[in-house]
Amino acid sequence: DTEVTQTPKHLVMGMTNKKSLKCEQHMGHRAMYWYKQKAKKPPELMFVYSYEKLSINESVPSRFSPECPNSSLLNLHLHALQPEDSALYLCASSRTFNQPQHFGDGTRLSIL
Amino acid sequence: QQQVKQSPQSLIVQKGGISIINCAYENTAFDYFPWYQQFPGKGPALLIAIRPDVSEKKEGRFTISFNKSAKQFSLHIMDSQPGDSATYFCAASGGQGAQKLVFGQGTRLTINP
Repeated sequence: DTEVTQTPKHLVMGMTNKKSLKCEQHMGHRAMYWYKQKAKKPPELMFVYSYEKLSINESVPSRFSPECPNSSLLNLHLHALQPEDSALYLCASSRTFNQPQHFGDGTRLSIL
Repeated sequence: QQQVKQSPQSLIVQKGGISIINCAYENTAFDYFPWYQQFPGKGPALLIAIRPDVSEKKEGRFTISFNKSAKQFSLHIMDSQPGDSATYFCAASGGQGAQKLVFGQGTRLTINP
């Protein structure tokens, strides 16, 4: 069992839908991350939060909107996604930067 | 300079054999080198990690060897088992880019029974 919990595990949505992905950790970690992973590829960094503030946005399209309501919770709001956005979306957390990152099992997202 | 190059892309090893995966980096500011194991349908799980102050770290059947002068590090899996069949990613971080983990392209390991 991972200590980073992601919900939902699977999500199918149309290109006009609005949905949100949720990530939760209770390890007291102050850095949290969103990654996108395509099949047979390494995780690709999207966003980094440090102490609930956005630290890095890797030039991600605005149809992806991250939110960090508190130190344990990270959301990714999705709107008007494209078929090429279908992927595994992974959340990770670490005590601080340059420390072990612990990943959740991801949300498998399919865009119709 | 931010790249981490991983080889081989795929590897087949007989049960009981030694699996070896290699990674090379360019950025001398990197000072944290983890290895992740990922099974289908799961997120990457941290397997073992090393920092440059040691040349080797062992945890059970898994060993990282680190060569700072060559800017290379490798994962050795001793007595490889079918349950070790997974995709393995090396990664690195440090310096001004400490917020980011730079991943290798991954190695798909298959252990034949």
